[in-house]
Amino acid sequence: SQQGEEDPQALSIQEGENATMNCSYKTSINNLQWYRQNSGRGLVHLILIRSNEREKHSGRLRVTLDTSKKSSSLLITASRAADTASYFCATAKTGANSKLTFGKGITLSVRP
Amino acid sequence: GAVVSQHPSRVICKSGTSVKIECRSLDFQATTMFWYRQFPKQSLMLMATSNEGSKATYEQGVEKDKFLINHASLTLSTLTVTSAHPEDSSFYICSASGQGGGPDTQYFGPGTRLTVL
Repeated sequence: SQQGEEDPQALSIQEGENATMNCSYKTSINNLQWYRQNSGRGLVHLILIRSNEREKHSGRLRVTLDTSKKSSSLLITASRAADTASYFCATAKTGANSKLTFGKGITLSVRP
Repeated sequence: GAVVSQHPSRVICKSGTSVKIECRSLDFQATTMFWYRQFPKQSLMLMATSNEGSKATYEQGVEKDKFLINHASLTLSTLTVTSAHPEDSSFYICSASGQGGGPDTQYFGPGTRLTVL
């Protein structure tokens, strides 16, 4: 079964607006990570949040984790056209060097 | 830091030939490397996990004799697609984790686009 599932699957917003993307998962995890992928490119690691953390910030990114609901959200504030990309959440069941299970991804389009 | 490269970035081959893709960690020692494939507009599917000096662990449904993985050093892993067929056409991405790169973070290569004619 799909471990990480994001919603919405596609999101289109105006530059300057905030973008919120959600991810749900099914099993217990050690950590959850968000990645970004520009079309036809590799993945860029954005942020990692551990199972004992509830919120984390990195620049314009804010990630929350609710282990009771098995869900996470990624908030991008003051979006820019350059934020246009696909965003994936990925879960790891154990710690170091653990394999990741990716969600289906969200396509974010930021209109200038 | 934590840069991973892949070579080649694109490859086109004839059906029945074999293709080798290299994945290198440039500035850290990758004790573990992962190989994924991604179809257009879809997610990444893990193919196999390889630890330096040992045999790769393949995910269910991935043919180990078709997708040969070698992780001979702490900075290099290779994926060889043997007797490639058009259905093997895909985007192959590697990632690496290990010492100096952050224990829980995988660093991804830029991917290799394989087209089998």
